Amino acid sequence: TQLLEQSPQFLSIQEGENLTVYCNSSSVFSSLQWYRQEPGEGPVLLVTVVTGGEVKKLKRLTFQFGDARKDSSLHITAAQPGDTGLYLCAGDDFGNEKLTFGTGTRLTIIP
Amino acid sequence: GAGVSQSPSNKVTEKGKDVELRCDPISGHTALYWYRQSLGQGLEFLIYFQGNSAPDKSGLPSDRFSAERTGGSVSTLTIQRTQQEDSAVYLCASSPGRGEKLFFGSGTQLSVL
Repeated sequence: TQLLEQSPQFLSIQEGENLTVYCNSSSVFSSLQWYRQEPGEGPVLLVTVVTGGEVKKLKRLTFQFGDARKDSSLHITAAQPGDTGLYLCAGDDFGNEKLTFGTGTRLTIIP
Repeated sequence: GAGVSQSPSNKVTEKGKDVELRCDPISGHTALYWYRQSLGQGLEFLIYFQGNSAPDKSGLPSDRFSAERTGGSVSTLTIQRTQQEDSAVYLCASSPGRGEKLFFGSGTQLSVL
């Protein structure tokens, strides 16, 4: 069974600070996705990374896929209260259509 | 509709009762997924439908769980003889096809008393 461990599990920081969330596995994935989920809603896809070593930027969010395609990170610069939510990584096991989701990081940005 | 619709949004039931959860995917999406999420944690895969192919049921936790998709559109997840450990948010997602972006509904919060 493939597992994706996210750290930290909870993170509470002040507005304007920077933060990094990690997603780690012992398994290789063909691609990795990051989602944000707000209370009472389903997850919303932020980005998909496909190539080992790939870096993608989405405004203040920077996503990186590890060279070995086993891990990923999400870095947020100058966090805003609107960044608050549950961040989930999800790995695609070479197209078997069953995304493996991580354990989640609950982020709270304090104004 | 504009997005994936799930009903009911909340369901409270007594232990031992059967429940049905409904998912209306985005029109034209051939792939449909059911996931379960406990206490704001990660998602657990339950079942996957793709077009007219046989569904992938490998994530269903027990034979009390079943799902069907009628006419390649609406799906129903049925849980028989509910147990307290079945309490969770049940999320449905659809996508235009294999390997494409998933669009999630808002989920059904199931509480088994």
